[in-house]
Amino acid sequence: GQNIDQPTEMTATEGAIVQINCTYQTSGFNGLFWYQQHAGEAPTFLSYNVLDGLEEKGRFSSFLSRSKGYSYLLLKELQMKDSASYLCAVRADNDYKLSFGAGTTVTVRA
Amino acid sequence: EAGVAQSPRYKIIEKRQSVAFWCNPISGHATLYWYQQILGQGPKLLIQFQNNGVVDDSQLPKDRFSAERLKGVDSTLKIQPAKLEDSAVYLCASTSLAGGYEQYFGPGTRLTVT
Repeated sequence: GQNIDQPTEMTATEGAIVQINCTYQTSGFNGLFWYQQHAGEAPTFLSYNVLDGLEEKGRFSSFLSRSKGYSYLLLKELQMKDSASYLCAVRADNDYKLSFGAGTTVTVRA
Repeated sequence: EAGVAQSPRYKIIEKRQSVAFWCNPISGHATLYWYQQILGQGPKLLIQFQNNGVVDDSQLPKDRFSAERLKGVDSTLKIQPAKLEDSAVYLCASTSLAGGYEQYFGPGTRLTVT
């Protein structure tokens, strides 16, 4: 089976930095994804890591360590619109199927 | 490029009734997924199609849920009879085999079973 853990909630101030951690134990590994989901809306793709290291995309960065079964999503220069749930998902094999964590609700305060 | 379309957006039914959801994936996307997302949880895969064939339906409660994708494009997901615990958002997603890894999600159907 797949086990994906991430914190339930995080709160941060506008302009600050927040790091959302994700640990996983899966039967295989073929990529880790981060999705953003605003309340009542569909998940939207943020990042994809398949090799160890940091991927930077504007204010968002994602890091992967395959040997540790660990990833984080870094959100910099937080804005109010970043208040959302952030979902960590792992693709265990080659058929594109994703297993999702329960999501981390980030609240950005003024 | 038009996104993944789903209908209806909201549905309220009583337990033991039946309900059907419809999904139209992004044009040309061969792989289609149905997920169930219960409030406060991440999406859980119910079924995966590639063209009109089922790739994985291991987590689909087959005694009450069914899904089809007859022409390899649109798909329907049916629940019959519904239970209270089926209250959730049902998300459809699609992937292009040529494009690789990203799944594109539709807006979802929020089902409330009373």
